[in-house]
Amino acid sequence: DTAVSQTPKYLVTQMGNDKSIKCEQNLGHDTMYWYKQDSKKFLKIMFSYNNKELIINETVPNRFSPKSPDKAHLNLHINSLELGDSAVYFCASSQDKAPGGYTFGSGTRLTVV
Amino acid sequence: QKEVEQDPGPLSVPEGAIVSLNCTYSNSAFQYFMWYRQYSRKGPELLMYTYSSGNKEDGRFTAQVDKSSKYISLFIRDSQPSDSATYLCARGGANSKLTFGKGITLSVRP
Repeated sequence: DTAVSQTPKYLVTQMGNDKSIKCEQNLGHDTMYWYKQDSKKFLKIMFSYNNKELIINETVPNRFSPKSPDKAHLNLHINSLELGDSAVYFCASSQDKAPGGYTFGSGTRLTVV
Repeated sequence: QKEVEQDPGPLSVPEGAIVSLNCTYSNSAFQYFMWYRQYSRKGPELLMYTYSSGNKEDGRFTAQVDKSSKYISLFIRDSQPSDSATYLCARGGANSKLTFGKGITLSVRP
């Protein structure tokens, strides 16, 4: 039983395309996140949602649009993909008001060619 | 100045060595800190977290926080090849946001 699952695991696409990554958590957590990890392993927050409400929106190009249909799901849609978008995207979840840490998914490795 | 600075790597040690991994942080507003371990091609997993100054021990791992000098450390005793991974320190902030250091890759040689 995977706690935080992301699909797809790998995504190779051409510049200019639009793609989506999906995330689901079965932990009953209130808050979900998208993080981007670059080739040097630096993890940077992009967005967070608490109970379907956008809480954190870092300085991310507006080509990236998160959507949370319910508190167990957080998807990420990316328009007009660029070479610099190539990275590993991690979904994570945490329990609100209990900062004991996140549970991460296994990541989506996006390669833009 | 970055919010969380982590000693650069990579780091290679022989099996059985004591490993010391270090981070500094710049904002004392929030007071909880974590260490994550990330194996190759996997997501980070929480290793330890602490709210207060002092030491917290879990098996071979000890997390240390010194708030006066804004320093956090992770010590690994009797390191094993299975400890080979990237270690990320993180600081907790508002809205449960975690700010991570850049990570250090540790290799434990048999």
